[in-house]
Amino acid sequence: EDQVTQSPEALRLQEGESSSLNCSYTVSGLRGLFWYRQDPGKGPEFLFTLYSAGEEKEKERLKATLTKKESFLHITAPKPEDSATYLCAASSGGTSYGKLTFGQGTILTVHP
Amino acid sequence: DGGITQSPKYLFRKEGQNVTLSCEQNLNHDAMYWYRQDPGQGLRLIYYSQIVNDFQKGDIAEGYSVSREKKESFPLTVTSAQKNPTAFYLCASNGATDTQYFGPGTRLTVL
Repeated sequence: EDQVTQSPEALRLQEGESSSLNCSYTVSGLRGLFWYRQDPGKGPEFLFTLYSAGEEKEKERLKATLTKKESFLHITAPKPEDSATYLCAASSGGTSYGKLTFGQGTILTVHP
Repeated sequence: DGGITQSPKYLFRKEGQNVTLSCEQNLNHDAMYWYRQDPGQGLRLIYYSQIVNDFQKGDIAEGYSVSREKKESFPLTVTSAQKNPTAFYLCASNGATDTQYFGPGTRLTVL
């Protein structure tokens, strides 16, 4: 059974204090690793897709990386507007095309 | 603008009542999904459809039903058999890749 685990459950940072969120996955044949941002009461917003170990993608203060067992979302010099829940998901060759397995999310709070 | 719309934004259900949540997309995506989100939990898959007139149960399909009569529409009915329906419901779709795009969600509350 595919599993995705995110840590920590919650992270509180001061503005400008860089940190990383972790996403560990156990899937049969990773097809893609996905990161989303979700604001309270809204649908998840797509951030990144990573396909193979060693791949990195960046967007503003966010950088996602991928190894064979986990993915990291690095946040550099965060601002209060980066506060949100960050969701990680994986698709695998062991499931029907397009099905994603989600982690429980990391709630990020950035204080000014 | 291309995207996914869900309606209503808020929905209230009385005991024993069936309610239907709407999901429409104009992205020309073949696959559509329904998820349920509860506080502190990840998204759980209810139903998905990879093509018109075909759909499959997800991990928590009991008490829910769907239809896929048109490519752009995938409504979800929460039946009276669903004993704990209060949750945030999310619709998503994807095209040629596995990347799913989400609608704004419907918050269902049982009275």
